[in-house]
Amino acid sequence: SQTIHQWPATLVQPVGSPLSLECTVEGTSNPNLYWYRQAAGRGLQLLFYSVGIGQISSEVPQNLSASRPQDRQFILSSKKLLLSDSGFYLCAWSHSGPDTQYFGPGTRLTVL
Amino acid sequence: AQSVTQLGSHVSVSEGALVLLRCNYSSSVPPYLFWYVQYPNQGLQLLLKYTSAATLVKGINGFEAEFKKSETSFHLTKPSAHMSDAAEYFCAVSAGGTSYGKLTFGQGTILTVHP
Repeated sequence: SQTIHQWPATLVQPVGSPLSLECTVEGTSNPNLYWYRQAAGRGLQLLFYSVGIGQISSEVPQNLSASRPQDRQFILSSKKLLLSDSGFYLCAWSHSGPDTQYFGPGTRLTVL
Repeated sequence: AQSVTQLGSHVSVSEGALVLLRCNYSSSVPPYLFWYVQYPNQGLQLLLKYTSAATLVKGINGFEAEFKKSETSFHLTKPSAHMSDAAEYFCAVSAGGTSYGKLTFGQGTILTVHP
């Protein structure tokens, strides 16, 4: 069976510091991968998606970037965090096409 | 382009009462539709999905949803609410045939269950 991991689970960072969140998927190959952000009182916002190694598409312009160095690894980064980057970050995977997305446990990021 | 509207950001029911969470969608192509549930500080868990087969879809935990094309709706129901159903619920739409399956989510409905 497939599993998806995210770490860290929680993170408190000062404004201006760098960020690296990691997501890995087990039990499948060549998944589509997604990063979402969920801000307080708001829905899910798709940040990035990837259909293969090194292939990243950004949905919204922002202070964040994503990379996919391996088939089942997806990394969300920032060089300098802003207060507005605070939120709950969710990674998800799916098979190709309009299929179900399966979500990880999330990372709670607080920028102070 | 797709969009989802969830009517009611908060729904409150008594334990044992009917649960009805409303979702209307807009899609220029035949849609795939999903309901997810999120418990506090956790990821989203799939409840059920519609992918152009039977219009009445049964999911986990006693939930079901009916796809009504004429009404562009996909409302989620459960005959009898349990305390453990208290959570946030998200409706989502995906355009069938797309290359990567982008999901567009509604804003969510928080379900409160009173004893």
